[in-house]
Amino acid sequence: QKEVEQNSGPLSVPEGAIASLNCTYSDRGSQSFFWYRQYSGKSPELIMFIYSNGDKEDGRFTAQLNKASQYVSLLIRDSQPSDSATYLCAVKGAGNNRKLIWGLGTSLAVNP
Amino acid sequence: DTAVSQTPKYLVTQMGNDKSIKCEQNLGHDTMYWYKQDSKKFLKIMFSYNNKELIINETVPNRFSPKSPDKAHLNLHINSLELGDSAVYFCASSRTSYEQYFGPGTRLTVT
Repeated sequence: QKEVEQNSGPLSVPEGAIASLNCTYSDRGSQSFFWYRQYSGKSPELIMFIYSNGDKEDGRFTAQLNKASQYVSLLIRDSQPSDSATYLCAVKGAGNNRKLIWGLGTSLAVNP
Repeated sequence: DTAVSQTPKYLVTQMGNDKSIKCEQNLGHDTMYWYKQDSKKFLKIMFSYNNKELIINETVPNRFSPKSPDKAHLNLHINSLELGDSAVYFCASSRTSYEQYFGPGTRLTVT
């Protein structure tokens, strides 16, 4: 069983719509949750992190964490073609090591 | 003002050769990482150093050897390169809050 799961997509949304990206994780002791965006041929870029249950908003991005259900999601409001990329979910498990467990990513296409 | 830099950006070499990739960060972070991203785009952690001490050493062939001369630098040396080593190698760094910041990547092609 994969430790961090994401739907590989592609998720296709029209410009201006809300894109919803989901991630589930298996380690109930996980502490920190990260969303990265990776454009084709580029490196992963941190866009959001969340540590506590609930919502965290940053501009057009909202991260939502539900530890009881072991999922974290990323909402992108007013999606733009420039948001088209692969979105990677990463989870820091319990324990003192710095290791992040990565999902395979969801490919998002925003159509003009 | 590059935060995490890697050299070279591209590396094309033949099987059996030995090569090195260098990474430097000017963020003042205490932890650095090497990742491999293959053609399927999965990010696989290879190694991590915290203040020059090896803290993560995943199941990686011993042809791969990391070296951290100081906490701002982490190099990766690969001996006897194989076709399967072709991938993009990313360096990253973090501080205690765990968010990792990535370098631009080194695309290694072994022919």
